[in-house]
Formats: sequence, structure tokens, C-alpha cells
Amino acid sequence: DTGVSQDPRHKITKRGQNVTFRCDPISEHNRLYWYRQTLGQGPEFLTYFQNEAQLEKSRLLSDRFSAERPKGSFSTLEIQRTEQGDSAMYLCASSLPRAGRKYGYTFGSGTRLTVV
Amino acid sequence: GEDVEQSLFLSVREGDSSVINCTYTDSSSTYLYWYKQEPGAGLQLLTYIFSNMDMKQDQRLTVLLNKKDKHLSLRIADTQTGDSAIYFCAETGDSWGKLQFGSGTQVVVTP
Repeated sequence: DTGVSQDPRHKITKRGQNVTFRCDPISEHNRLYWYRQTLGQGPEFLTYFQNEAQLEKSRLLSDRFSAERPKGSFSTLEIQRTEQGDSAMYLCASSLPRAGRKYGYTFGSGTRLTVV
Repeated sequence: GEDVEQSLFLSVREGDSSVINCTYTDSSSTYLYWYKQEPGAGLQLLTYIFSNMDMKQDQRLTVLLNKKDKHLSLRIADTQTGDSAIYFCAETGDSWGKLQFGSGTQVVVTP
């Protein structure tokens, strides 16, 4: 296992377009998290899944954002009608449920979104 | 709500010790973490401390926790140029492992 993979690494899109990002967690990790990081800031929590169930969503996650994890393995994050304020690094992380608290998460390298 | 604060910048000479400080407000914090982020990369977990501990040492890293003052610090001994990065402090409380991050401290190591 090579860790948490995110695709694409970079995405440039025009304002108003829809974009979708993919995250492949470490295979035995049943928890998966999405975070957003803007320049000069720490990551902000967006949402997380345990297996296929989406258990928590931040109020940062407007109705233009949707995340899925249909089979409890990979996850997708879709942003509809992108706005310039959506430009950020989108980070995915995974963990085991109880061990995750003790050992933290494993983060992917992120998808950098630029909305022009 | 929860808040985690860090100083923005630290400059240190190679071979000296670095100390990065963090304060948090959530009294229910269970685990506190230090992550490292290099340019263009994701976050790498450096170390963590459980809230009933006041110190943890891991090779060149020493974490100190003052739970009464809600103050966490990370000391890096014999700082190397490869330690230049942004360091984030993060905490999780009784919720389901959701992490609250500080805004990061940029550490620059000079020869």
C-alpha cells in the first residue's frame, strides 16, 4: 500500500464549471476525511465517512459541495458551479477509528484547485 | 467554538534548538498532534501526546503539554535544514476524531 492517493494533483477550472476529485485511502482504513486548506491557513474540516456512511459535515460545506464514498473504499468530492473562493488545496486523510485518535491520520498530497 | 493558535514564523540557526508554541481552547481535547508540511506536500504526522501526559520525547522531538494553561510546545533539538517546513498543531476532543488545526508556524533554518 502506497498511502493515501489523490487525483488529480492540480486542477484549473473556469468559474461556474463543476469539478470532481478522487481520494483512495489506505485499504484497511475505514475512516476517510476531507479537509480544505487555503494559503497561510491550517486545514479546515469539511466532512468525514466511516465506511460508506457520511457521519459529519462542516457548515463550510455549502450545498454546492457533495462527497460520496459509495462502497466504503474510495471517495469523491464534487464542487458544482465553482467560485473563485473555492480555490484551495483539498486534502484527504484516512484512519482506523480508534487508532486514528492515537496515531492521527495519514494525509494524501492533496488536489490543488484554481478557479479562474 | 474550538480555536488553536500558533505564532506565524520562526527563524533558527542550523544546530540550535527550535521551540514552536501552540495554545488551544477546547478543554475536552484528548489527543494533541504536531504535523509537518513541506512545500507542495500533504501533512506528515510527527508526534502526538495524550492529554493525561505532560511530556513526550521522540528522538530529536520533545512535546510539552501544560493542560492547565492549554499550552503545547514542540522542541526540535539540533535543527537541520531539512526541518524547514510549516508545523501545525492540532487537537481532537471527544468528537469522532475530527482534527482542529492551528494556522501553522513556518520554520526557516539558516546555515
